[in-house]
Parts: sequence; structure tokens; C-alpha cells
Amino acid sequence: DQQVKQNSPSLSVQEGRISILNCDYTNSMFDYFLWYKKYPAEGPTFLISISSIKDKNEDGRFTVFLNKSAKHLSLHIVPSQPGDSAVYFCAASATYGQNFVFGPGTRLSVLP
Amino acid sequence: DAGITQSPRHKVTETGTPVTLRCHQTENHRYMYWYRQDPGHGLRLIHYSYGVKDTDKGEVSDGYSVSRSKTEDFLLTLESATSSQTSVYFCAIKGLTSGADNEQFFGPGTRLTVL
Repeated sequence: DQQVKQNSPSLSVQEGRISILNCDYTNSMFDYFLWYKKYPAEGPTFLISISSIKDKNEDGRFTVFLNKSAKHLSLHIVPSQPGDSAVYFCAASATYGQNFVFGPGTRLSVLP
Repeated sequence: DAGITQSPRHKVTETGTPVTLRCHQTENHRYMYWYRQDPGHGLRLIHYSYGVKDTDKGEVSDGYSVSRSKTEDFLLTLESATSSQTSVYFCAIKGLTSGADNEQFFGPGTRLTVL
């Protein structure tokens, strides 16, 4: 049973619009969350993180929102650019743990 | 970019043969990880290491073994490869931190095909 879920395998968005990628988790011990971006034939690269003491973290065009009661987080990309087209993985860990559990990923396509 | 390399980058092998994948880091990070990436499953942890000669199993460790004799190298071995082990394998490293920068850095991946 997956502890970290990304229920949308794919998402298409027009350039300039907002992209919203969602992630749900089941383990209430998770308190640190990350988003990774992956291009084909490359390793994942870290994008943004959030700890459970916050409900929002922003870095340029990227914002992550955390709703602890719903065990849900989302990544907002505004404005979306064609270079954002990639697979996005959500990951979670417990108490700044050294191991992470990854979701299955969402493939984002930003159309020019 | 974190100094992490994987070798080989591509390998095709036959069922029943042993295979060893190498991960090398120049960051002197304590933690090293092996993941496999498969469609619909994302990244699944195979084994990880928290120091030289200190390793532990992950979620999908059956059929795999690891060794870490030096800080910079983490080897993943398939003793007898099976077709179900066809996958893309990623190595990751992480420093010892409890702060906000608690992320893993990934290598470029090794695509393994078992015929």
C-alpha cells in the first residue's frame, strides 16, 4: 500500500497558466516533504521542501502548500513554462529522517 | 551539482548472470541510497548505507545486496539477475543534517536490461 500517492499520472497546462500538482500521504508520522523534478535520462533534482511546522513555502515560481489535517500537499507553479515539462515526484520523511518515501510521480506537460 | 556518478550508465545482461552497479561520490556524505524507478511505482528504496560497512534494507531489497567499504563508493549487486530487475537504478547521497536542507542528491541513473 503506497504511503505517498500522486493520483494524477499526467497533467497538461498551457504556458503562462498555473500548474497544480497534488500529493496525498497516509502516514501521520511524516513531517517533512519534498518535491523533486526529473527530466528524461537524468536523475531527479530537488525542487522545494516544507516541514510540518509550516503550511506554505515559496521559492520563486514554485510554492508548496501543506494541509496536515487532510494529509495533502500541493505544488503550484506560476507561471508555467515549457521548461517545466518533466516528471514531478513528491517525497516524505518522518522527523527529519534519513529515508524518504516517494510517490509514483506526475508527468507535467506545459504546452507553448 | 553534487559530485555523484554511476557506472555503468547502460547495461544489458542475461538472466542468471551477476551484475554490479557502482555509485561514487566526492561529497564525503554519510548517507548513500540505491533506488529503482519503474512506471507507476516512482522511486523505491532498495538498500541504503549510513556509514562505511553500515547498510540496511529498503522496501524492495530481495535479490539485491550492497557493500560500502569506502565512504565514496556504494556498490549494488544482483547476484543472479532476473527479468523483473530490468529497471532504471538511481543512487542518491545525503549529508547528516536535521535542518531544512535535508534533501537527497541523485546520480544520473543506470538503465539495466535483463534479457
